[in-house]
Amino acid sequence: QKEVEQDPGPLSVPEGAIVSLNCTYSNSAFQYFMWYRQYSRKGPELLMYTYSSGNKEDGRFTAQVDKSSKYISLFIRDSQPSDSATYLCAATTGGGNKLTFGTGTQLKVEL
Amino acid sequence: NAGVMQNPRHLVRRRGQEARLRCSPMKGHSHVYWYRQLPEEGLKFMVYLQKENIIDESGMPKERFSAEFPKEGPSILRIQQVVRGDSAAYFCASSTVGEKLFFGSGTQLSVL
Repeated sequence: QKEVEQDPGPLSVPEGAIVSLNCTYSNSAFQYFMWYRQYSRKGPELLMYTYSSGNKEDGRFTAQVDKSSKYISLFIRDSQPSDSATYLCAATTGGGNKLTFGTGTQLKVEL
Repeated sequence: NAGVMQNPRHLVRRRGQEARLRCSPMKGHSHVYWYRQLPEEGLKFMVYLQKENIIDESGMPKERFSAEFPKEGPSILRIQQVVRGDSAAYFCASSTVGEKLFFGSGTQLSVL
């Protein structure tokens, strides 16, 4: 069993839709959770960083962590074609940068 | 301020050859991480280095793989006697102490 599980998609939505991306994890020691965006042939770019359970909002993006169910989510409001990318969830135990990633969900936002 | 620079972007090797991947961290960053992305799999941690020190190499295969981050110059990930299973995208990332990772654009290694 992978420590971080993520549906690979692809997920296709119309422009303006609300997108929900999700991951589950199995390691109870994970305390820090991240969402990265990766465009084709590029490196991952950090979108959201959260500690423990709760919500964090940044513009059109909201990250949620529910440690009781080991579930992490990313919501994108008013999705744009430029949001089309692969979204990777990641987790770590001690706040360092040795991250455990999910396999990524490919998102396509269509005009 | 240039980002994390990796070269080459694409590297083709025949089985049994050596592959050397280079990474120059962002200016002011002294921590370098290497991750590997295999097809259909997520990014997997390989090694964490600081200048002249390997801090954590728990993700490195036991044989054929080595990494260094010398006092001067880029970090190098070296793969000896490459096999087809080494074909992947190799990403380098850098950070300062306690700060987020910045990733390079990766080196795509293809082993023929």
